[in-house]
Amino acid sequence: DTGVSQDPRHKITKRGQNVTFRCDPISEHNRLYWYRQTLGQGPEFLTYFQNEAQLEKSRLLSDRFSAERPKGSFSTLEIQRTEQGDSAMYLCASSPSETRRVIHFGPGTRLLVL
Amino acid sequence: AQKITQTQPGMFVQEKEAVTLDCTYDTSDQSYGLFWYKQPSSGEMIFLIYQGSYDEQNATEGRYSLNFQKARKSANLVISASQLGDSAMYFCASQPYGGATNKLIFGTGTLLAVQP
Repeated sequence: DTGVSQDPRHKITKRGQNVTFRCDPISEHNRLYWYRQTLGQGPEFLTYFQNEAQLEKSRLLSDRFSAERPKGSFSTLEIQRTEQGDSAMYLCASSPSETRRVIHFGPGTRLLVL
Repeated sequence: AQKITQTQPGMFVQEKEAVTLDCTYDTSDQSYGLFWYKQPSSGEMIFLIYQGSYDEQNATEGRYSLNFQKARKSANLVISASQLGDSAMYFCASQPYGGATNKLIFGTGTLLAVQP
């Protein structure tokens, strides 16, 4: 049984470039979450999928951010025209849909925008 | 909206001693879950322990126990017999059940340093 995986683990990019991150949840977990964590802070919610449907989006998710989960399996998070303020750890998590179920996190993608 | 407060930015504990990390939450939801996660320097969020709002007994997982006081809206984490490998950031989080949202809300974390 593999956990949540994320790719890449690290990404350095120049301001203005587009980046895309991938998350593979635990198999059969139909809930998938994206979080962003900046230095010294707790993770902040970005968006949530139930299967392929994006059910909730944070106001943190500006127009430059888009997330997809085609076919309800893996998910991608794209940031267009990156800014230095986008530098953060991007965490993906998954869980079954029943309540009282643990939400498991992936190792994260650390983004640095120069 | 839910809010999690962790008032201890950092703590020291001697190896083999017990330590309590504080967490209070503010919610109007009747049903919710409370979680503790450990985040070592590598960055991965590691699940430690879960408490449901209707659970009558405090949760325990090995050396971790959750001191749940519903009336006080507190969910403190107790780590017994601290080990050097316990040095990490610890986050308390809550998740409402039955409403429109399913997101975890995190506190700002407590940095624990275990001293030999």
